[in-house]
Amino acid sequence: EAQVTQNPRYLITVTGKKLTVTCSQNMNHEYMSWYRQDPGLGLRQIYYSMNVEVTDKGDVPEGYKVSRKEKRNFPLILESPSPNQTSLYFCASSLRTSGGYEQYFGPGTRLTVT
Amino acid sequence: DAKTTQPTSMDCAEGRAANLPCNHSTISGNEYVYWYRQIHSQGPQYIIHGLKNNETNEMASLIITEDRKSSTLILPHATLRDTAVYYCIVRVLTNLSGTYKYIFGTGTRLKVLA
Repeated sequence: EAQVTQNPRYLITVTGKKLTVTCSQNMNHEYMSWYRQDPGLGLRQIYYSMNVEVTDKGDVPEGYKVSRKEKRNFPLILESPSPNQTSLYFCASSLRTSGGYEQYFGPGTRLTVT
Repeated sequence: DAKTTQPTSMDCAEGRAANLPCNHSTISGNEYVYWYRQIHSQGPQYIIHGLKNNETNEMASLIITEDRKSSTLILPHATLRDTAVYYCIVRVLTNLSGTYKYIFGTGTRLKVLA
């Protein structure tokens, strides 16, 4: 089954404790991205990757890191989480194309930083 | 960056057409318009996308004005299961080598009434 998986689905942590949220897709997609969703703000793109070893900042990259060492995986790293990073996070993947193509979204990771 | 604006909420009677508008007045000629929907806090689900021409698929129709400054998503026969938040998105080119990112609007909460 074609899918995007995220782990963990729920996480409660404390300020400053490094964490990684994993994202994996099985569709051989080149394009992958991370979003955060906050009430009243919709979804905002954090980072995106056009292919292996190619990453770019989205609209809200501060406080986050990403890496793309393999095509299927795109982990989101919070080196020193803060309470303002409490949010619902989504990973997505897509074929890379000059024409339009749909993004497939993961189920989400709800992060709480105390 | 191109930005989208949508009404905060709309109601629609079951069985009637739901017409959801979106303004994207700063869109560039090669930037695609996408529509997604989100039910509760699940991952957003792709509906349709377009560049210049009107598009139709099994879920919906997308009408894009000739000047491309606005678009309308049409759900032809809304059902209770169409109750969701609908997002209008612009895919924005970020450089000449073809990299792109996605700008989400804040969404329209559609409620389909029995």
